[in-house]
Amino acid sequence: GQNIDQPTEMTATEGAIVQINCTYQTSGFNGLFWYQQHAGEAPTFLSYNVLDGLEEKGRFSSFLSRSKGYSYLLLKELQMKDSASYLCAVRDRSGGYNKLIFGAGTRLAVHP
Amino acid sequence: NAGVTQTPKFQVLKTGQSMTLQCAQDMNHEYMSWYRQDPGMGLRLIHYSVGAGITDQGEVPNGYNVSRSTTEDFPLRLLSAAPSQTSVYFCASSPTDSTGNTIYFGEGSWLTVV
Repeated sequence: GQNIDQPTEMTATEGAIVQINCTYQTSGFNGLFWYQQHAGEAPTFLSYNVLDGLEEKGRFSSFLSRSKGYSYLLLKELQMKDSASYLCAVRDRSGGYNKLIFGAGTRLAVHP
Repeated sequence: NAGVTQTPKFQVLKTGQSMTLQCAQDMNHEYMSWYRQDPGMGLRLIHYSVGAGITDQGEVPNGYNVSRSTTEDFPLRLLSAAPSQTSVYFCASSPTDSTGNTIYFGEGSWLTVV
């Protein structure tokens, strides 16, 4: 089976940096995704890692260590609009086909 | 482009009723999936399809049926609605099951079972 863990809630200050961690256990790992979701809306894609290392995309970076089953999403220069839930999702290929499995999400509140 | 279209957006059902949530995409994607999201939770995979005629179960398939008779459509059927199925349902599609960042979500369907 799969198990994905991330903190339930985090708070941060506007302009600061925040790191959201995600640990996972899966038998058929085939990539890790980060999504942003505002209340009442569908998730939107932020980043994708399949190899170890850091992927940078503007204010957002994502890191993956496959040997440790660990990823983090780094948000820099936080803005009020970054207040949202951040979902870690693992693409798992156990069973033959790829399936995208989500963690419970981390609710981030950005304060002035 | 319409992208991924879900209908209805809002629905109230009585316990025991059946209904179908519709999902259609116009991007010729092979891979489609259904998720449910309960309050304060992440998305849980119900069923998915890797192409017309091929479906498989996800994490929480009980109480739901799917079929994929065409590439474009992937309806989700609730056989006998229960209050535990009150949730937001998201349909998603991508070109293949191995696609990196091109996963498209519908806007969601809010279902309440009373």
